[in-house]
Amino acid sequence: GENVEQHPSTLSVQEGDSAVIKCTYSDSASNYFPWYKQELGKGPQLIIDIRSNVGEKKDQRIAVTLNKTAKHFSLHITETQPEDSAVYFCAASKGNNDMRFGAGTRLTVKP
Amino acid sequence: DVKVTQSSRYLVKRTGEKVFLECVQDMDHENMFWYRQDPGLGLRLIYFSYDVKMKEKGDIPEGYSVSREKKERFSLILESASTNQTSMYLCASRGRLPDTQYFGPGTRLTVL
Repeated sequence: GENVEQHPSTLSVQEGDSAVIKCTYSDSASNYFPWYKQELGKGPQLIIDIRSNVGEKKDQRIAVTLNKTAKHFSLHITETQPEDSAVYFCAASKGNNDMRFGAGTRLTVKP
Repeated sequence: DVKVTQSSRYLVKRTGEKVFLECVQDMDHENMFWYRQDPGLGLRLIYFSYDVKMKEKGDIPEGYSVSREKKERFSLILESASTNQTSMYLCASRGRLPDTQYFGPGTRLTVL
Protein backbone atom coordinates (compact mmCIF):
# COMPACT_ATOMS: atom_id res chain seq x y z
CA GLY A 1 0.00 0.00 0.00
CA GLU A 2 0.86 3.66 -0.07
CA ASN A 3 3.48 4.98 2.33
CA VAL A 4 3.95 8.71 2.91
CA GLU A 5 7.05 10.08 4.60
CA GLN A 6 7.25 13.67 5.81
CA HIS A 7 10.27 15.77 6.81
CA PRO A 8 11.22 17.50 8.96
CA SER A 9 9.23 16.53 12.03
CA THR A 10 9.86 19.95 13.59
CA LEU A 11 10.77 23.25 11.96
CA SER A 12 11.49 26.58 13.57
CA VAL A 13 11.82 29.77 11.53
CA GLN A 14 11.98 33.51 12.15
CA GLU A 15 8.98 35.57 11.24
CA GLY A 16 9.28 36.67 7.63
CA ASP A 17 11.43 33.74 6.57
CA SER A 18 10.26 30.91 4.31
CA ALA A 19 9.38 27.40 5.45
CA VAL A 20 9.54 24.25 3.34
CA ILE A 21 8.08 20.85 4.26
CA LYS A 22 8.74 17.82 2.08
CA CYS A 23 6.88 14.56 1.54
CA THR A 24 7.57 11.45 -0.47
CA TYR A 25 5.10 8.79 -1.50
CA SER A 26 5.56 5.25 -2.70
CA ASP A 27 2.56 4.44 -4.91
CA SER A 28 2.89 5.91 -8.42
CA ALA A 29 -0.91 5.57 -8.83
CA SER A 30 -1.51 8.30 -6.24
CA ASN A 31 -2.96 11.33 -7.96
CA TYR A 32 -4.22 13.69 -5.26
CA PHE A 33 -2.04 15.41 -2.67
CA PRO A 34 -3.64 17.65 -0.02
CA TRP A 35 -1.95 19.59 2.76
CA TYR A 36 -3.65 20.14 6.10
CA LYS A 37 -2.94 22.59 8.90
CA GLN A 38 -3.85 21.61 12.44
CA GLU A 39 -3.88 24.26 15.11
CA LEU A 40 -3.83 23.40 18.78
CA GLY A 41 -7.08 21.81 19.92
CA LYS A 42 -8.59 21.75 16.44
CA GLY A 43 -9.07 19.25 13.65
CA PRO A 44 -6.94 19.39 10.46
CA GLN A 45 -8.03 22.03 7.96
CA LEU A 46 -7.28 21.76 4.25
CA ILE A 47 -5.02 24.62 3.16
CA ILE A 48 -4.02 23.62 -0.37
CA ASP A 49 -4.10 20.58 -2.62
CA ILE A 50 -2.63 19.50 -5.94
CA ARG A 51 -3.46 16.85 -8.50
CA SER A 52 -1.01 14.79 -10.49
CA ASN A 53 -1.69 16.64 -13.74
CA VAL A 54 -0.28 19.85 -12.25
CA GLY A 55 3.29 20.58 -11.21
CA GLU A 56 2.73 23.60 -9.03
CA LYS A 57 -0.11 25.46 -7.36
CA LYS A 58 -0.04 28.71 -5.44
CA ASP A 59 -2.45 30.46 -3.10
CA GLN A 60 -1.14 33.74 -1.71
CA ARG A 61 1.78 32.87 0.60
CA ILE A 62 1.36 29.12 0.21
CA ALA A 63 2.53 27.00 -2.69
CA VAL A 64 2.80 23.29 -3.36
CA THR A 65 5.07 21.62 -5.90
CA LEU A 66 4.82 18.07 -7.19
CA ASN A 67 7.49 15.95 -8.84
CA LYS A 68 5.75 12.81 -10.11
CA THR A 69 8.93 11.23 -11.42
CA ALA A 70 10.65 11.44 -8.06
CA LYS A 71 7.39 10.87 -6.19
CA HIS A 72 7.76 13.82 -3.89
CA PHE A 73 5.83 16.99 -3.17
CA SER A 74 6.54 20.02 -1.02
CA LEU A 75 4.74 22.78 0.82
CA HIS A 76 6.28 26.26 0.68
CA ILE A 77 5.19 29.05 2.99
CA THR A 78 6.69 32.47 2.31
CA GLU A 79 6.79 35.50 4.61
CA THR A 80 5.88 33.37 7.59
CA GLN A 81 3.82 34.86 10.40
CA PRO A 82 3.30 33.70 14.00
CA GLU A 83 -0.21 32.52 13.11
CA ASP A 84 1.36 30.03 10.69
CA SER A 85 2.58 28.10 13.74
CA ALA A 86 0.79 24.75 13.68
CA VAL A 87 1.23 21.10 12.74
CA TYR A 88 1.14 20.48 9.00
CA PHE A 89 0.23 17.14 7.42
CA CYS A 90 0.71 16.00 3.87
CA ALA A 91 -1.36 13.19 2.36
CA ALA A 92 -1.58 11.12 -0.80
CA SER A 93 -4.61 9.43 -2.34
CA LYS A 94 -5.52 7.45 -5.44
CA GLY A 95 -8.87 9.18 -5.60
CA ASN A 96 -10.64 6.70 -3.42
CA ASN A 97 -11.14 6.35 0.31
CA ASP A 98 -7.55 5.26 0.89
CA MET A 99 -5.79 8.48 1.87
CA ARG A 100 -2.42 8.12 3.57
CA PHE A 101 -1.02 10.82 5.81
CA GLY A 102 2.49 11.84 6.72
CA ALA A 103 3.46 11.91 10.39
CA GLY A 104 3.24 15.71 10.55
CA THR A 105 5.59 18.69 10.89
CA ARG A 106 5.37 21.03 13.84
CA LEU A 107 6.15 24.51 12.53
CA THR A 108 7.06 27.27 14.95
CA VAL A 109 7.37 30.84 13.70
CA LYS A 110 9.28 33.00 16.14
CA PRO A 111 8.35 36.69 16.25
CA ASP B 1 -18.87 25.40 4.00
CA VAL B 2 -18.64 21.80 5.00
CA LYS B 3 -19.30 21.28 8.66
CA VAL B 4 -18.28 18.16 10.54
CA THR B 5 -19.14 18.08 14.22
CA GLN B 6 -18.18 15.63 16.94
CA SER B 7 -20.25 15.02 20.04
CA SER B 8 -17.56 15.72 22.62
CA ARG B 9 -14.28 17.63 22.64
CA TYR B 10 -12.98 15.90 25.76
CA LEU B 11 -14.01 12.59 27.28
CA VAL B 12 -12.72 10.66 30.29
CA LYS B 13 -13.74 7.03 30.70
CA ARG B 14 -12.72 4.08 32.83
CA THR B 15 -11.20 0.83 31.62
CA GLY B 16 -13.91 -1.59 30.51
CA GLU B 17 -16.55 1.04 29.82
CA LYS B 18 -18.41 1.13 26.52
CA VAL B 19 -17.70 4.39 24.74
CA PHE B 20 -19.64 6.06 21.92
CA LEU B 21 -18.13 8.80 19.78
CA GLU B 22 -20.54 10.48 17.40
CA CYS B 23 -19.88 12.43 14.24
CA VAL B 24 -22.32 14.40 12.11
CA GLN B 25 -21.75 16.07 8.74
CA ASP B 26 -24.08 18.47 7.00
CA MET B 27 -22.96 18.16 3.36
CA ASP B 28 -24.74 14.98 2.32
CA HIS B 29 -21.38 13.24 1.88
CA GLU B 30 -21.35 9.56 1.05
CA ASN B 31 -18.04 8.76 2.72
CA MET B 32 -17.18 9.12 6.39
CA PHE B 33 -14.05 8.14 8.32
CA TRP B 34 -12.72 7.64 11.81
CA TYR B 35 -9.03 8.20 12.52
CA ARG B 36 -6.96 8.21 15.63
CA GLN B 37 -4.09 10.60 15.99
CA ASP B 38 -1.07 9.87 18.16
CA PRO B 39 2.19 11.85 18.42
CA GLY B 40 4.73 10.77 15.82
CA LEU B 41 2.29 8.38 14.14
CA GLY B 42 0.15 10.83 12.20
CA LEU B 43 -3.41 9.87 11.38
CA ARG B 44 -4.31 6.19 11.28
CA LEU B 45 -7.57 5.00 9.76
CA ILE B 46 -9.78 2.93 12.05
CA TYR B 47 -12.91 2.45 9.91
CA PHE B 48 -14.67 4.14 7.06
CA SER B 49 -18.12 3.99 5.54
CA TYR B 50 -19.05 4.67 1.92
CA ASP B 51 -22.82 4.47 2.37
CA VAL B 52 -25.52 3.96 4.97
CA LYS B 53 -25.07 0.64 6.79
CA MET B 54 -21.82 0.00 4.88
CA LYS B 55 -18.45 -0.12 6.61
CA GLU B 56 -14.90 -1.09 5.84
CA LYS B 57 -11.99 -1.77 8.16
CA GLY B 58 -9.06 0.57 8.06
CA ASP B 59 -5.55 -0.08 9.31
CA ILE B 60 -6.29 -0.42 13.04
CA PRO B 61 -9.87 -1.69 13.56
CA GLU B 62 -9.12 -3.95 16.52
CA GLY B 63 -11.05 -2.95 19.62
CA TYR B 64 -13.42 -0.69 17.68
CA SER B 65 -16.70 -0.99 15.85
CA VAL B 66 -18.79 1.53 13.91
CA SER B 67 -22.38 2.26 13.03
CA ARG B 68 -23.90 4.25 10.19
CA GLU B 69 -27.68 4.17 10.35
CA LYS B 70 -28.16 7.58 8.71
CA LYS B 71 -26.14 9.22 5.98
CA GLU B 72 -25.13 12.21 8.08
CA ARG B 73 -24.08 10.30 11.19
CA PHE B 74 -21.16 7.95 11.81
CA SER B 75 -20.51 6.51 15.26
CA LEU B 76 -17.35 4.95 16.63
CA ILE B 77 -17.81 2.44 19.44
CA LEU B 78 -15.23 1.18 21.88
CA GLU B 79 -16.85 -1.98 23.23
CA SER B 80 -14.57 -2.20 26.26
CA ALA B 81 -12.26 0.77 26.58
CA SER B 82 -8.61 0.15 27.38
CA THR B 83 -5.83 2.53 28.38
CA ASN B 84 -4.09 2.08 25.02
CA GLN B 85 -7.12 3.64 23.37
CA THR B 86 -6.33 6.97 24.99
CA SER B 87 -5.91 9.20 21.96
CA MET B 88 -7.31 12.00 19.82
CA TYR B 89 -10.12 10.72 17.59
CA LEU B 90 -10.89 12.55 14.37
CA CYS B 91 -13.91 12.14 12.16
CA ALA B 92 -13.87 13.16 8.49
CA SER B 93 -16.25 13.15 5.56
CA ARG B 94 -15.80 13.20 1.79
CA GLY B 95 -18.24 13.65 -1.07
CA ARG B 96 -18.18 11.67 -4.28
CA LEU B 97 -16.04 14.38 -5.87
CA PRO B 98 -13.57 15.90 -5.21
CA ASP B 99 -11.29 13.78 -3.07
CA THR B 100 -10.91 16.17 -0.19
CA GLN B 101 -11.63 14.92 3.30
CA TYR B 102 -13.06 17.43 5.76
CA PHE B 103 -12.32 16.95 9.43
CA GLY B 104 -14.21 17.57 12.63
CA PRO B 105 -12.58 19.25 15.66
CA GLY B 106 -11.61 15.96 17.28
CA THR B 107 -12.41 14.21 20.55
CA ARG B 108 -9.61 13.76 23.04
CA LEU B 109 -10.39 10.53 24.87
CA THR B 110 -8.64 9.55 28.08
CA VAL B 111 -9.15 6.03 29.42
CA LEU B 112 -8.15 5.62 33.06
